[in-house]
Amino acid sequence: NAGVTQTPKFQVLKTGQSMTLQCAQDMNHNSMYWYRQDPGMGLRLIYYSASEGTTDKGEVPNGYNVSRLNKREFSLRLESAAPSQTSVYFCAIKPGPGPINIQYFGAGTRLSVL
Amino acid sequence: EDKVVQSPLSLVVHEGDTVTLNCSYEVTNFRSLLWYKQEKKAPTFLFMLTSSGIEKKSGRLSSILDKKELFSILNITATQTGDSAIYLCAVGGLQTGANNLFFGTGTRLTVIP
Repeated sequence: NAGVTQTPKFQVLKTGQSMTLQCAQDMNHNSMYWYRQDPGMGLRLIYYSASEGTTDKGEVPNGYNVSRLNKREFSLRLESAAPSQTSVYFCAIKPGPGPINIQYFGAGTRLSVL
Repeated sequence: EDKVVQSPLSLVVHEGDTVTLNCSYEVTNFRSLLWYKQEKKAPTFLFMLTSSGIEKKSGRLSSILDKKELFSILNITATQTGDSAIYLCAVGGLQTGANNLFFGTGTRLTVIP
């Protein structure tokens, strides 16, 4: 998966629990992204990070926080999980500079919130 | 509002058929259009198109972009069961200083033997 590792692969939470989804890249790319994918909705951007130490909101950031403490890792945190956050979460990296938009994805984390 | 619309939503064909998948878009500061194939897990990159009228080709798959009419098509000839997947169209634009992708909902292709 283009050197993008996501953990865990599966997770079941109860409403109100918290958890952190981890994403790590084995290269030195600046841009990293978190998406969620729901049936009939396509991939929607939650947060992205254009470089180490910077993060910005995407289309659906509510209920999530992110952290980019170093260049390799970009984590997504659910502070108080809700059933609406049941989804498949993908982390992606963008190797190219400037207008080269190609993104490469990790294998995903399937999250169920009961 | 940025929008990427794919059609059809789903398609069932027999092996050997040719299929055409459609993607239309309205995106601020368009930079590129990308096609991905998604089987069970992560989307995998197929093509990136930036210029109108230039066909990208890889084996039985090909794609072309029309920037004037704001759409792209993905063609698959002589389909095989291994082509069964969701095909995602994504458009790259310059929004809020970042080169982000905006995805369509995908076309689910099923190829039956």
